[in-house]
Amino acid sequence: SQKIEQNSEALNIQEGKTATLTCNYTNYSPAYLQWYRQDPGRGPVFLLLIRENEKEKRKERLKVTFDTTLKQSLFHITASQPADSATYLCALNNAGNMLTFGGGTRLMVKP
Amino acid sequence: GAGVSQSPSNKVTEKGKDVELRCDPISGHTALYWYRQSLGQGLEFLIYFQGNSAPDKSGLPSDRFSAERTGGSVSTLTIQRTQQEDSAVYLCASSLRAFGTDTQYFGPGTRLTVL
Repeated sequence: SQKIEQNSEALNIQEGKTATLTCNYTNYSPAYLQWYRQDPGRGPVFLLLIRENEKEKRKERLKVTFDTTLKQSLFHITASQPADSATYLCALNNAGNMLTFGGGTRLMVKP
Repeated sequence: GAGVSQSPSNKVTEKGKDVELRCDPISGHTALYWYRQSLGQGLEFLIYFQGNSAPDKSGLPSDRFSAERTGGSVSTLTIQRTQQEDSAVYLCASSLRAFGTDTQYFGPGTRLTVL
């Protein structure tokens, strides 16, 4: 069956360190993958999109990699700040251009 | 103008009652999506509308759930004979088109509690 797996355990890191979140998928052949941020009580907010032919994408302190062989995307936040604390969701397209979301990983950045 | 709006923000209802949840998408967006998010869980796709095409209802969990989109804009998600397991946050999103590369813009959600 198709699965998108994100670590359900919270990731706790110290301010200034690099946070790395993982998104693994099985039985998908996505053409692109998106990362969203969700704060408590709010809807998700789009961060980055990476296509299957792109190995890496950057935006300010954010970096996303996409390895279609490993069926994995990594999401990095460098020089993390307490304001980066949130839940991060990956989403990928299944057949028909619909997005399917992973369960998200909660990131806690401690000062 | 404004982003996606949803109403009500909170809804408490008794088991067996019907509820209607409303979504106002961003003006000009042709695609509209409904998701459900249970506590601490990811987003579960329910239904999506693209322009005047028939909606993709493949994610609706039962026939108690239905949705309409009038005039290609406002959408209403209706849950009939609510059950306690329907308690969740219902999120609406819109995008310019229904392509997977298009950013989905989410509303704040409606928190539904079924007693």
